[in-house]
Amino acid sequence: AQKVTQAQTEISVVEKEDVTLDCVYETRDTTYYLFWYKQPPSGELVFLIRRNSFDEQNEISGRYSWNFQKSTSSFNFTITASQVVDSAVYFCALSELLYELRLTFGEGTQLTVNP
Amino acid sequence: DGGITQSPKYLFRKEGQNVTLSCEQNLNHDAMYWYRQDPGQGLRLIYYSQIVNDFQKGDIAEGYSVSREKKESFPLTVTSAQKNPTAFYLCASSIWGTELFFGEGSRLTVL
Repeated sequence: AQKVTQAQTEISVVEKEDVTLDCVYETRDTTYYLFWYKQPPSGELVFLIRRNSFDEQNEISGRYSWNFQKSTSSFNFTITASQVVDSAVYFCALSELLYELRLTFGEGTQLTVNP
Repeated sequence: DGGITQSPKYLFRKEGQNVTLSCEQNLNHDAMYWYRQDPGQGLRLIYYSQIVNDFQKGDIAEGYSVSREKKESFPLTVTSAQKNPTAFYLCASSIWGTELFFGEGSRLTVL
């Protein structure tokens, strides 16, 4: 069975600080897909990134970056120079199939960025 | 604009009543999904459908039912058999090889 663990329930930072959200996963498959979603107070989940298990390159998108390490089964998310608008719940998720997106979600990390 | 529309946003139900949550998408996506979110928890899969007239149980299907008569629509019925129905329900859709697109959710409260 697959499992995703986000050990940080809540994180609070001051604007412009860097913050890293941790994600550890378990799966028996050698091919799998990892995701990060953002849930603002409105409730709708917003897609941030998908990473395939065979692609261990780290990714940067503006202030966001992701560190994927198969050796430690981790897929961590870093926000550089955080802003108040980054305040949200962030979810890490895993799917063992791409044609059938039965995502297993972590419990989420509530990020609060204070001015 | 293309997207996923869930209705109603808020719903109150008395114990013992069935209630149906609507999910409509105009993204021309083949697959649709229903997830449940409880406070402080991640999302859990209730049902999903890859094509019209076919659907599969997810991890927590007991007490729920769905139908998929049209590609655009995937309504979820929360039946009286669902012991703890108060939750936030999210509908999503996808096209092969991409990611899940979510609606804004429906919050169900049982009085």
